[in-house]
Amino acid sequence: AQKITQTQPGMFVQEKEAVTLDCTYDTSDPSYGLFWYKQPSSGEMIFLIYQGSYDQQNATEGRYSLNFQKARKSANLVISASQLGDSAMYFCAMREDRSGGSNYKLTFGKGTLLTVNP
Amino acid sequence: GAVVSQHPSRVICKSGTSVKIECRSLDFQATTMFWYRQFPKKSLMLMATSNEGSKATYEQGVEKDKFLINHASLTLSTLTVTSAHPEDSSFYICSASYYLKGSEEGAFFGQGTRLTVV
Repeated sequence: AQKITQTQPGMFVQEKEAVTLDCTYDTSDPSYGLFWYKQPSSGEMIFLIYQGSYDQQNATEGRYSLNFQKARKSANLVISASQLGDSAMYFCAMREDRSGGSNYKLTFGKGTLLTVNP
Repeated sequence: GAVVSQHPSRVICKSGTSVKIECRSLDFQATTMFWYRQFPKKSLMLMATSNEGSKATYEQGVEKDKFLINHASLTLSTLTVTSAHPEDSSFYICSASYYLKGSEEGAFFGQGTRLTVV
């Protein structure tokens, strides 16, 4: 069963507008972490934002914020004031503890290709 | 954020030869590193977890004799693709675990290596 679902293969947004990239997850583990990464055409994976399952507040990092709705198991990424340089592939990922400690695994969604139009 | 350096960024090799890819954590020690493979326009697929000083843990379906992983120090893990064939051509990317805040672990990625086997 797919553990991370990104239902939007592609999204378009006008420069300076906000955009929401969807991510839903499935886990029975009470302790988990949710990540968003940006992958430009160069291939590198750039860490954007992190949300822990026990965090009470939604995570924010500059123009990025994570809309965490635990009961719905969703962790949508909101990018405010889009810039042309935001055009990239965006991946949602979940960390599940396999046996505690540092022995964890990141599972990635299929990604959303965001295009920012001038 | 933490810096992970991967080398080389691109490599072309002849079929039957071996290729070594290095992954270094530059400003922190990483007891655990991860190796992923990414096909064009696809998500990241975890190949193996590399633990410093012990044998790597391979994901199901990944040939351990073909993809040799060595994690000899706290800052270096290597992936050697042995007897490479054209079907091994892919984008390989490593990540290192890093504490984001408190006890929460995240993953920072290298720049990736595009391997082409001719």
